[in-house]
Amino acid sequence: DTGVSQDPRHKITKRGQNVTFRCDPISEHNRLYWYRQTLGQGPEFLTYFQNEAQLEKSRLLSDRFSAERPKGSFSTLEIQRTEQGDSAMYLCASSPPYNEQFFGPGTRLTVL
Amino acid sequence: TQLLEQSPQFLSIQEGENLTVYCNSSSVFSSLQWYRQEPGEGPVLLVTVVTGGEVKKLKRLTFQFGDARKDSSLHITAAQPGDTGLYLCAGAPPPSNTGKLIFGQGTTLQVKP
Repeated sequence: DTGVSQDPRHKITKRGQNVTFRCDPISEHNRLYWYRQTLGQGPEFLTYFQNEAQLEKSRLLSDRFSAERPKGSFSTLEIQRTEQGDSAMYLCASSPPYNEQFFGPGTRLTVL
Repeated sequence: TQLLEQSPQFLSIQEGENLTVYCNSSSVFSSLQWYRQEPGEGPVLLVTVVTGGEVKKLKRLTFQFGDARKDSSLHITAAQPGDTGLYLCAGAPPPSNTGKLIFGQGTTLQVKP
């Protein structure tokens, strides 16, 4: 399977806990994106990597959020001290150096 | 701020009917993409339109990009229950150095057998 994969698919956590999500992009894609989608809405951009460099972050990405792509391959998104408002679907997408992005299945986060 | 407005937000039709979904903006986009998303899954790319006035067909789906590259439409002919899902348009605002996508809020389509 050469698609984008994300792990875990579902995460339930208690408020105040830290969570980390992983994304494995399509292998030849150098661009990687994180989006957040709440129920009934379209995805909203969070951050973007080109290879290992994080080149853009949305204002939605508060100080509690951090993303890395240490070797320009897989990426992690960590949320510290989770809040109920963080409950959402976190989507990862990858692309070659033009605009067609291919999405993973997402990680559904529920903060209790 | 470049916004994409989709209409309608919800559509419930009978199998065999035709429908059109609209995606409008006051801003120009380098390209527009249409995705289909099923519950609990990520969006799946259907098509990318790049040139103003472009028309692309994918079986019973016809996509059009407006001449001014500010709007797009998706037309489905003879809808089937398998077409049920959330349809999203997304645009790459110029300059598209990052490829960051702006999404519409989506159109939820339900096709009843």
